[in-house]
Amino acid sequence: EIVLTQSPATLSLSLGQRATLSCRASQSVSSYLAWYQQKPGQAPRLLISNVSNRATGIPARFSGSGSGTDFTLTISSLEAEDFAVYYCQQRSDWPWTFGQGTKVEIK
Amino acid sequence: QITLKESGPTLVKPTQTLTLTCTFSGFSLSTSGVGVGWVRQPPGKALEWLALIYWDNDKRYSPSLQSRLTITKGTSKNQVVLTMTNMDPVDAATYYCAHGRRGDGYYFDYWGQGTLVTVSS
Repeated sequence: EIVLTQSPATLSLSLGQRATLSCRASQSVSSYLAWYQQKPGQAPRLLISNVSNRATGIPARFSGSGSGTDFTLTISSLEAEDFAVYYCQQRSDWPWTFGQGTKVEIK
Repeated sequence: QITLKESGPTLVKPTQTLTLTCTFSGFSLSTSGVGVGWVRQPPGKALEWLALIYWDNDKRYSPSLQSRLTITKGTSKNQVVLTMTNMDPVDAATYYCAHGRRGDGYYFDYWGQGTLVTVSS
């Protein structure tokens, strides 16, 4: 099973700051990596598929990069609605797996 | 407009079987390239991928739970059913069903609201 390790566990930032979230895979997942956002009491929302493809309706301030085992989700300038938990997910190999999440909180 | 909604018991006893139904609209699971999956999330914890059924009835399961899980298309064309046997308190979680399609790599682009399942005697 491919293990996804996200860091940091918590990111404390202010409005307007840049957020950089990391996801590291225990083995290569090629480009088969997605990012989801989850707010309290809500279902996850797909942000980015296949490393860097923004899902429909996702603002351009969200971007993804990386390949192989190291991936990054960047939020260029944090807005109030961006404070949430973010998960990465791989679909390179069964079972598909999620990371343990990074919480972006207001500093 | 694609929507999904989970339904089933909110409380099950240890050793019982959990049956959850995902009722969806806005797409057909008979259409090539469509899949419906299940993901769960224990309170305060991370997401866990459980199972996926494709339009052609191909199925995938989490190996750690495979012996306890069954995913099927429902008797209604707009339903998917997940059963989990031998429930334990550690299985308490919010269970989500979600839609995926080949064009997006079967990542889950639409999700149900989730249903919270408690396991207790």
